[in-house]
Amino acid sequence: QAGLTQPPSVSRDLRQTATLACTGNSNNVGNQGAAWLQQHQGHPPKLLSYRNNNRPSGISERFSASRSGNTASLTITGLQPEDEADYYCSAWDSSLSAWVFGEGTKLTVL
Amino acid sequence: EVQLVESGGGLVQPGESLRLSCAASGFTFSSYWMHWVRQVPGKGLVWVSRINSDGSTTNYADSVKGRFTISRDNAKNTLFLQMNSLRVEDTAVYYCTGGPLFDYWGQGTLLTVSS
Repeated sequence: QAGLTQPPSVSRDLRQTATLACTGNSNNVGNQGAAWLQQHQGHPPKLLSYRNNNRPSGISERFSASRSGNTASLTITGLQPEDEADYYCSAWDSSLSAWVFGEGTKLTVL
Repeated sequence: EVQLVESGGGLVQPGESLRLSCAASGFTFSSYWMHWVRQVPGKGLVWVSRINSDGSTTNYADSVKGRFTISRDNAKNTLFLQMNSLRVEDTAVYYCTGGPLFDYWGQGTLLTVSS
């Protein structure tokens, strides 16, 4: 099953802003938007946002999501050391009747 | 406190079967879709299957369709994944997840398929 496309890695300086991209198609990201998850090494993933910019309770406002066409984005402002993690996007694919994930972006905070 | 606790992983040989379980507590299990997601250590997340709140609707990734069966027991707040005809490429940590979307996650259970 075709997944979503994410850059393998992104590096930004402490306190700067990082924007992570996730590209799909009209059957998935372009249809219902994407969810974003954060995963620290050795831990299960944590949901950051769903349907573009709905944040579960407890998720910092520094994390915001958006979508333009078939590309979803996660913007993290005021980068902190604890933001260094793997970030995954995911979307329901209506043509596959399946959820698809991106391969993940490793964010390094310098 | 929300908890999802997976169990049932282990070492099996190719072609064998195994059933994973996921015990849920701290939320209204019977109200939500539940999913299985797997991850080869050091690699990305891969969605495996989902089941709706009353168990009447299921979906599977192409890679497991016809071999894996997802089910749930809402009376016991437990999610299952029956895995048959296991392959080496099924080796991964299996997470159960659910809630409004992927809000709740377990710690995962490791399945190793090897001869």
